[in-house]
Amino acid sequence: QSVLTQPPSASGTPGQRVTISCSGSRSNIGPNTVTWYQHVPGTAPRLLIYSNNLRPSGVPDRFSGSKSGTSGSLAISGLQSEDEGYYYCAAWDDSLTGHWVFGGGTKLTVL
Amino acid sequence: QVQLQESGPGLVKPLETLSLSCTVSKDFISSYFWTWIRQPPGKGLEWIGYMDKSGNVRYNSSLKSRVTISVDTSKSQFSLKLTSVTAADTALYYCARAFTVFGVVQGFDYWGQGMLVTVSS
Repeated sequence: QSVLTQPPSASGTPGQRVTISCSGSRSNIGPNTVTWYQHVPGTAPRLLIYSNNLRPSGVPDRFSGSKSGTSGSLAISGLQSEDEGYYYCAAWDDSLTGHWVFGGGTKLTVL
Repeated sequence: QVQLQESGPGLVKPLETLSLSCTVSKDFISSYFWTWIRQPPGKGLEWIGYMDKSGNVRYNSSLKSRVTISVDTSKSQFSLKLTSVTAADTALYYCARAFTVFGVVQGFDYWGQGMLVTVSS
């Protein structure tokens, strides 16, 4: 059971816009920022978004992030076949001695 | 492009110590934070802990009594030791670089491909 809650799956056709939600609490997303990762099995995970809505260099602007209250959201516009894979959200959690927590992952299928 | 590569035994017996290393290329290992993250089969990601550039460590409290993260700058490697392992420690183990803004970790920007470690007799 992951601390952050994501839908297990999402799908879209090429060119569409899809969003993936990430629900947290007042000890993690509430006071802290959200990061998003893309993972294609067999490869290294890739950082897509940090500080809620910032993209590292090299990440296309088709990927965008937002945060509201205790939830974060990742949007992918102009969906492409290479976007297929798993997407994970993460945030620092202030409970106990503090630790990073992740969502359970969302499998994105490009139809 | 920073590259990270995990190495170590893929099979560990119950109650023994899991030991993994991560070799970092094209980077000054002493200039960054370095972290370990794992993913049990069919489950989500779990942060294990990290070491900062000053050698301070921070661990997930759920594993704190069993885990040690250390850095060997001469080999450009950092390592993970997890003692008294059980089947619940079977997972894909990732090493990653934690990047900071004003000294606060913002996320993990470079990852290894992961190494499957199975705990079984």
